Amino acid sequence: AQSVTQPDIHITVSEGASLELRCNYSYGATPYLFWYVQSPGQGLQLLLKYFSGDTLVQGIKGFEAEFKRSQSSFNLRKPSVHWSDAAEYFCAVGPPSGGSYIPTFGRGTSLIVHP
Amino acid sequence: DAGVIQSPRHEVTEMGQEVTLRCKPISGHNSLFWYRQTMMRGLELLIYFNNNVPIDDSGMPEDRFSAKMPNASFSTLKIQPSEPRDSAVYFCASSFPSGSYEQYFGPGTRLTVT
Repeated sequence: AQSVTQPDIHITVSEGASLELRCNYSYGATPYLFWYVQSPGQGLQLLLKYFSGDTLVQGIKGFEAEFKRSQSSFNLRKPSVHWSDAAEYFCAVGPPSGGSYIPTFGRGTSLIVHP
Repeated sequence: DAGVIQSPRHEVTEMGQEVTLRCKPISGHNSLFWYRQTMMRGLELLIYFNNNVPIDDSGMPEDRFSAKMPNASFSTLKIQPSEPRDSAVYFCASSFPSGSYEQYFGPGTRLTVT
């Protein structure tokens, strides 16, 4: 069965600093990988996704993520954090086409941004 | 498109009462998911429909929970009778199963059972 681990429950950064949120997955093959963001009082919104090809993917709001097969990781990065980036971030993994349609979500990482 | 629509946004009810949560998926999407989010358990998948048919309801906590999807544009999640431990935020999400598994979430319903 697939699983997702987000080892950091909370991350605190200063506005303007760089950010990296960690995500590790467990799956027998190359899965579909996603990062979602949840602002307070809102539903989840897709930031970016990886299916195949270039292992560095660009998303919305200036975020990017890099798929590293050898490390089973899909870490989310942003070079300069803005106060509006404070939110909960979820990594998710879904199986390749032909498998179940049900993605597995990590427990989330709460990002706190100091001015 | 207006996105996934959920109603009500907030619901406060007393223990033992029936609660019905509603969801309108994005037009053209034929997969619909109900999730529950709590601090203790995170985001849990309750049930998943494909083409209005329930595919996986293994996440439904107990018989007090039921979900229906009478047509492609409407789904309900019902709790009867409700209990305080059902207090949570309930999300509906929809997707088009093109193989991408990308989900579009509604704003959620915050349920408080007193």
